[in-house]
Amino acid sequence: AQSVTQLGSHVSVSEGALVLLRCNYSSSVPPYLFWYVQYPNQGLQLLLKYTSAATLVKGINGFEAEFKKSETSFHLTKPSAHMSDAAEYFCAVSDKGGTSYGKLTFGQGTILTVHP
Amino acid sequence: DTAVSQTPKYLVTQMGNDKSIKCEQNLGHDTMYWYKQDSKKFLKIMFSYNNKELIINETVPNRFSPKSPDKAHLNLHINSLELGDSAVYFCASSQEKKTQYFGPGTRLLVL
Repeated sequence: AQSVTQLGSHVSVSEGALVLLRCNYSSSVPPYLFWYVQYPNQGLQLLLKYTSAATLVKGINGFEAEFKKSETSFHLTKPSAHMSDAAEYFCAVSDKGGTSYGKLTFGQGTILTVHP
Repeated sequence: DTAVSQTPKYLVTQMGNDKSIKCEQNLGHDTMYWYKQDSKKFLKIMFSYNNKELIINETVPNRFSPKSPDKAHLNLHINSLELGDSAVYFCASSQEKKTQYFGPGTRLLVL
């Protein structure tokens, strides 16, 4: 069984400050890991993904995440927050070779607020 | 062109009614999914089809019935709607187990 825990349901930063959104996962098989962003009343947009290549993954809008197997973590970071980054962020895990055929298990989401 | 589209975008209906939500993808993917996002924004998979074959069927009431007429379409029919069915329903598609691309969601409100 897989699970995802996002630490902190709300994160608030000032514009220009570092963004750090935490994600820890549990998986019995090597995982694929994803971060999605959801703007108000919109669908989910893929920010970045880890699929067993480089452990440091760069995504859109200046975001990146590092896969750390020893810590079972996949935290999302951005060096300098913009007002437009305000949204809800979801971490998700999918198994690579199991029988659940690409089923995504999501964390509970983290709402990012950016203050001027 | 929209990659994954859903209709309708909003659906308001009475308890006990039957309704359908449609999903279409023009990405040429072979796998499609339905997810439910509840009022607390928690996302959970409901169903998945690969090449029109049902491959994931989570613990979902049998009032929910997915149908895939072809690889590009996955519809969701809901019978005897209940208040607890109010949620946002997302369709997604992928090529095999690769990255899933989501539609804009259908906001269902059952009164």
